[in-house]
Amino acid sequence: EAEVAQSPRYKITEKSQAVAFWCDPISGHATLYWYRQILGQGPELLVQFQDESVVDDSQLPKDRFSAERLKGVDSTLKIQPAELGDSAMYLCASSYRTSGLETQYFGPGTRLLVL
Amino acid sequence: QKEVEQDPGPLSVPEGAIVSLNCTYSNSAFQYFMWYRQYSRKGPELLMYTYSSGNKEDGRFTAQVDKSSKYISLFIRDSQPSDSATYLCAMSVEGNNRLAFGKGNQVVVIP
Repeated sequence: EAEVAQSPRYKITEKSQAVAFWCDPISGHATLYWYRQILGQGPELLVQFQDESVVDDSQLPKDRFSAERLKGVDSTLKIQPAELGDSAMYLCASSYRTSGLETQYFGPGTRLLVL
Repeated sequence: QKEVEQDPGPLSVPEGAIVSLNCTYSNSAFQYFMWYRQYSRKGPELLMYTYSSGNKEDGRFTAQVDKSSKYISLFIRDSQPSDSATYLCAMSVEGNNRLAFGKGNQVVVIP
């Protein structure tokens, strides 16, 4: 069964350092999402891509976060500089449309700890 | 006020019991109502969804939506230890992929 791939699975960094996360969506899924999930909370959307274009980045802290999906396939999320409050699980999801609901499939996530 | 409220309190039940989870919401435009299951150190996976109001059953799982009360529920019958996970409700407006999630309920089924 096809899955969304993410790497690394875990990342420990010091504040003010740069970090990057990678996501490879399910083949054929045009829509890709990055979410942040703080411990004990539900995921919150950071950015949504349709192919290589950003559809929604209204919740992305653009002073330190950036995301790209250059060829409309895999994607990278970067944080520079990292802050203590960025410690969270970063989830990538991809989706396709069936009759009605566009089902989102999530990857295993990257757990980030900022010291 | 958050769009979706889900009391995040953990829930421990004995094997075979019925698990009852619920969420309330404030956005009357929501039309898709979903339940995701998230195992420890994994991403969420879609368990089931309902469009608009009504009930939906899938094996031991039943989802209910009451749009008049802005209230949704998930019931798990004959709970198994393998059902131990965090259950997240999520909602979206038709034509918009943005999901609004609840905080999640951690469920532990004790053998």
